Amino acid sequence: QVQLVESGGGVVQPGGSLRLSCAASGFTFSSYGMHWVRQAPGKGLEWVAFIRYDGSNKYYADSVKGRFTISRDNSKNTLYLQMNSLRAEDTAVYYCAKDQGPSPYGSGQFDYWGQGTLVTVSS
Amino acid sequence: EIVLTQSPATLSLSPGERATLSCRASQSVSSYLAWYQQKPGQAPRLLIYDASNRATGIPARFSGSGSGTDFTLTISSLEPEDFAVYYCQQRSNWPPGTFGQGTKLEIK
Repeated sequence: QVQLVESGGGVVQPGGSLRLSCAASGFTFSSYGMHWVRQAPGKGLEWVAFIRYDGSNKYYADSVKGRFTISRDNSKNTLYLQMNSLRAEDTAVYYCAKDQGPSPYGSGQFDYWGQGTLVTVSS
Repeated sequence: EIVLTQSPATLSLSPGERATLSCRASQSVSSYLAWYQQKPGQAPRLLIYDASNRATGIPARFSGSGSGTDFTLTISSLEPEDFAVYYCQQRSNWPPGTFGQGTKLEIK
């Protein structure tokens, strides 16, 4: 079955950096686009970033553009999110999610989600 | 950016009752709308995609309808495990794929 396991969350000071990872299994990782979606405490869901199955296209929410970088290593079945210049408003649970497909540019729908990793930005 | 407005914010019903949740878009999203269920402390789960298609493993008591700007998620007969928060999400002008603010379905 599809499994997505995030790691790398923690407490970081404003202006700091953090790198999240998402280990995927149970499907052909290299055939699907992948997303990061976040949820601030007690709030709703916000899409953060997408990467195409081969890494050739990446899209970002305006709120993170220029600060976050999504990447993937298909040889390791792993998705990443490098987060720089972190702000208090980036505090959230970060989920990785599999794109439903089949478009190589992403369908914008998320059919499997990991359990999330909490990022807290605080001094 | 397309804004999705869900109503009601909270819905209080009893097991066995029928639940009707609404999602309205600020402009047409055609049929590019999905519904997700999220239980406390858990990740969201895809229920319905493209307005009316049940995702893999989703029970038949969940159904979706609508197109354009008005959409409905119906749960025909509530089971205890159905009490959760429900989000709609559009992919018409993805990226970004915007979400509604959620409807909390609670036990009456």
